[in-house]
Amino acid sequence: AQTVTQSQPEMSVQEAETVTLSCTYDTSESDYYLFWYKQPPSRQMILVIRQEAYKQQNATENRFSVNFQKAAKSFSLKISDSQLGDAAMYFCAYRSAAPGGGADGLTFGKGTHLIIQP
Amino acid sequence: DARVTQTPRHKVTEMGQEVTMRCQPILGHNTVFWYRQTMMQGLELLAYFRNRAPLDDSGMPKDRFSAEMPDATLATLKIQPSEPRDSAVYFCASGHGTGGDFGSGTRLTVV
Repeated sequence: AQTVTQSQPEMSVQEAETVTLSCTYDTSESDYYLFWYKQPPSRQMILVIRQEAYKQQNATENRFSVNFQKAAKSFSLKISDSQLGDAAMYFCAYRSAAPGGGADGLTFGKGTHLIIQP
Repeated sequence: DARVTQTPRHKVTEMGQEVTMRCQPILGHNTVFWYRQTMMQGLELLAYFRNRAPLDDSGMPKDRFSAEMPDATLATLKIQPSEPRDSAVYFCASGHGTGGDFGSGTRLTVV
């Protein structure tokens, strides 16, 4: 079974600074997807960024980017120019990419609480 | 803007009562997931459907939980009888198989 580990229960960053959230995972599969979700106090789960394991290029979405190290099974999220609205829980998640387009659910890490200091 | 709709948003019930949570997936999405979020366990997959057929419910306590998808616009999660340890936020998500779009969740409190 796959596991996802987020070793930082809480992180704090000054507004406008850059912060990196860590995520490691364990799997024996070679093809899979990785995700970062944001959960603000409203509890809505919002997809921030997604990475396909077969792609070497790191995914980027505006101020959000990832550092995907497949051999190390590491998938960190970098938030540049942090804004007050970035304050939330951030969850790293894994999904298998079974042959034929499987539809397995997500395996989540425990989350990192990100605090933005004005 | 298409979204997954969950009802009710909050539910408080007494131990032993039946609870039904409903989810309307995004039109055209063929996969529906149910997740549970607690402080202790985090987010856990309970069950999921593809094209309305149940594919996996191994994460769900079978004796009291049941998940169904009577049609393409409705998925339900029932707990009977409910227990205090079932208190959690229950999320529904739908998608084409990768990740998924989440509803706002149902916060269930069993007293």
